[in-house]
Amino acid sequence: NAGVTQTPKFQVLKTGQSMTLQCAQDMNHEYMSWYRQDPGMGLRLIHYSVGAGITDQGEVPNGYNVSRSTTEDFPLRLLSAAPSQTSVYFCASSYRARNTEAFFGQGTRLTVV
Amino acid sequence: KNEVEQSPQNLTAQEGEFITINCSYSVGISALHWLQQHPGGGIVSLFMLSSGKKKHGRLIATINIQEKHSSLHITASHPRDSAVYICAVGGGTGNQFYFGTGTSLTVIP
Repeated sequence: NAGVTQTPKFQVLKTGQSMTLQCAQDMNHEYMSWYRQDPGMGLRLIHYSVGAGITDQGEVPNGYNVSRSTTEDFPLRLLSAAPSQTSVYFCASSYRARNTEAFFGQGTRLTVV
Repeated sequence: KNEVEQSPQNLTAQEGEFITINCSYSVGISALHWLQQHPGGGIVSLFMLSSGKKKHGRLIATINIQEKHSSLHITASHPRDSAVYICAVGGGTGNQFYFGTGTSLTVIP
């Protein structure tokens, strides 16, 4: 089992560029989510999904889009990158939203210049 | 406002010391998670608990639901325990986790 696979590990973007962060899990988990981690702050939820075809916004969704066409994949799209989106991004999955262990990807360090 | 507060923010210990990291939360929860993040690395789940106490090797996690408080203990600490330890709570009514800002632990040989 690969667990949660997140790519790329590092990325540098210019302001205004778009890109997609990929996240895939092979554990048949219902719940997948994206977080950003900034210095001095806890992880903050960007978007989450409780199953294929269902997505919802988290705490900091502006500037990001997601889709969940399959159970396995949950890509995060930056529509027009801004320096404020410089951060470390983590994808996570769990069998259900509550009371189940969460598995995290390795993280993507994104710099927007 | 911070739904989850951790203390201390930074901790330096000598190898072999007993370590305690604390987590207090203000929301109703379904479960509390302790996570470990090594420098430049990913995040690994250590414990998920909703009551009582759990033990994995040298790590022990406890939770007091009435006091909304959890502790992570490391016995006989080792330099490889150096990492950031993050407390997260699963919201009781929603589909969201709330995260503490983490405790950075350095264990000196």
